[in-house]
Amino acid sequence: GENVEQHPSTLSVQEGDSAVIKCTYSDSASNYFPWYKQELGKGPQLIIDIRSNVGEKKDQRIAVTLNKTAKHFSLHITETQPEDSAVYFCAASIGRGSARQLTFGSGTQLTVLP
Amino acid sequence: KAGVTQTPRYLIKTRGQQVTLSCSPISGHRSVSWYQQTPGQGLQFLFEYFSETQRNKGNFPGRFSGRQFSNSRSEMNVSTLELGDSALYLCASSPAGTEEKLFFGSGTQLSVL
Repeated sequence: GENVEQHPSTLSVQEGDSAVIKCTYSDSASNYFPWYKQELGKGPQLIIDIRSNVGEKKDQRIAVTLNKTAKHFSLHITETQPEDSAVYFCAASIGRGSARQLTFGSGTQLTVLP
Repeated sequence: KAGVTQTPRYLIKTRGQQVTLSCSPISGHRSVSWYQQTPGQGLQFLFEYFSETQRNKGNFPGRFSGRQFSNSRSEMNVSTLELGDSALYLCASSPAGTEEKLFFGSGTQLSVL
């Protein structure tokens, strides 16, 4: 089955700096790569996603890049703010629409220092 | 629009007991998935239901089961609880046509003593 590795496990940045979290996946058939943010006491929240036919996607301060050849994808957060502090999970899945199951990375605890 | 609602929020059980967790999806969502979250194993897929039918199942023992009702509400059941079943159980619902986009509830924290 699919295996997703995520690095780093913890990341501390100064407010205003950029943060980058990287994930690699094992199954070349994976075609959907979402990123989730989980705040304390809450469930994960989808913040951005990308499909395998796209190399990069941006939404305000958040961007995701995908390298299918190397089988890795990354989350980039620019101009970080204290409210960005949370655990971030990457995920990968095969298939489209129905019967899709996500395989998650182990998570990155991001701390934005004021 | 109300989010995914999971009840109860916290649950304490002892080994050997069974437990039922409940999930109400976002109105209009017909797909419901369940995930187990633990510090050691992270987020692991349990199963997915759509229109009262299980469409996909993860690698969990048969003690873990679920069902979905005609109003899309879902329940999961764990029988003969073990200490290792202590975890945060998350339910997620998805809108039709974009079932890969999961909207999670806040979860049920299960502690097995």
